[in-house]
Amino acid sequence: EVQLVESGGGLVQPGGSLGLSCAASGFIFSNYWMSWIRQAPGKGLEWVANINQDGGARSYVDSVKGRFSISRDNAKNSLYLHLNSLRAEDTAVYYCTTNTGDSWGQGTMVTVSS
Amino acid sequence: QSALTQPASVSGSPGQSITISCTGTSSDVGFYNYVSWYQQHPAKAPKLMIYGVIDRPSGVSNRFSGSKSGNTASLTISGLQPEDEADYYCCSFTTSNTYVFGTGTKVTVL
Repeated sequence: EVQLVESGGGLVQPGGSLGLSCAASGFIFSNYWMSWIRQAPGKGLEWVANINQDGGARSYVDSVKGRFSISRDNAKNSLYLHLNSLRAEDTAVYYCTTNTGDSWGQGTMVTVSS
Repeated sequence: QSALTQPASVSGSPGQSITISCTGTSSDVGFYNYVSWYQQHPAKAPKLMIYGVIDRPSGVSNRFSGSKSGNTASLTISGLQPEDEADYYCCSFTTSNTYVFGTGTKVTVL
């Protein structure tokens, strides 16, 4: 059974940093592009970033370029998202997904507030 | 990277068919056959319902079907059932090698 389990969310002040992790199991992690998608409270889905199988290709939505960094460790079957210079508008549930969209984690909440 | 445009709400009676539109541009929906649709119930993670414009993942009811014409993709739900009441989002790959979601549509079963 495919499982994606996010962790690392929490409350952070504006301008602060946070690191999210996603532990994958039940499939050959190193064969898949992976994505982070977020959803602000009461709002729609927003694609944030993705990364290819070996980490050599990464893409970001314009609003997070230069502030967020996606990475992965295939030996640990793990996906990461490092969030810097956080703003109130980054407050959201962050989901880890396969790029195919057929598997999602339960999400981890990031709240940016003073 | 503007969000794809979806109607805010669509409703129908049980057994009826409804269609949700998803309008993009020639740089996303109109350029690639990489449109997917997601169903999201309250406080749940989204579920993939359609990928590649028309394909259904294993286990998804054949009451759900997708199509595309020009810059607009569509999701049709036939034989509407109470459990279909949810939010629906389209998503497209773009010429910038990114993805963009639609604004979301709330489906109400009357």
